[in-house]
Amino acid sequence: KQEVTQIPAALSVPEGENLVLNCSFTDSAIYNLQWFRQDPGKGLTSLLLIQSSQREQTSGRLNASLDKSSGRSTLYIAASQPGDSATYLCAVVRDDYKLSFGAGTTVTVRA
Amino acid sequence: SAVISQKPSRDICQRGTSLTIQCQVDSQVTMMFWYRQQPGQSLTLIATANQGSEATYESGFVIDKFPISRPNLTFSTLTVSNMSPEDSSIYLCSVDLPETNYGYTFGSGTRLTVV
Repeated sequence: KQEVTQIPAALSVPEGENLVLNCSFTDSAIYNLQWFRQDPGKGLTSLLLIQSSQREQTSGRLNASLDKSSGRSTLYIAASQPGDSATYLCAVVRDDYKLSFGAGTTVTVRA
Repeated sequence: SAVISQKPSRDICQRGTSLTIQCQVDSQVTMMFWYRQQPGQSLTLIATANQGSEATYESGFVIDKFPISRPNLTFSTLTVSNMSPEDSSIYLCSVDLPETNYGYTFGSGTRLTVV
């Protein structure tokens, strides 16, 4: 069974600081890995999708890396802003196309 | 990417009643997924809905409690039956898009409170 762990569970930083969010998974036989953002009481917004053959993906201030062999992914958010405050979820796409989610990292960016 | 319309966005229901949640996608998709997010928790997959066949339920979820319909390739419903306060959660539908190498898109969610 695929277990996905996100560390830290919560993070509070001053505006402008870079964010580093960690995700680990137990089974390296993954199809893809996807990072999502969730605002309180809302649905999920996809941030980045990394295919299993890729090492990283970038979108604006966001960069996500993937190391399948060690079962790790890291999401970097550069120059954080108060609008980045949200919960960030890591999800592993299994080879049966189902998602296994981590518990999330709740980020607060202080103005 | 696909646009998913989910409704209702929220509801407050009496225990013992049922609520049907609708999910409409603006393109044809093979599989639709239903998730539950209990307060303070991450997402748990309830079931996978394929058009023309019965939904496949994950361990701990049963059809009598969460009946699902999938009448065509763009629409699905999830019913939460005989509700209790423990069913208070956010329910989300999701689809995968082969043209994006199986990136998943989620609906905006239904926030259900059972009183």
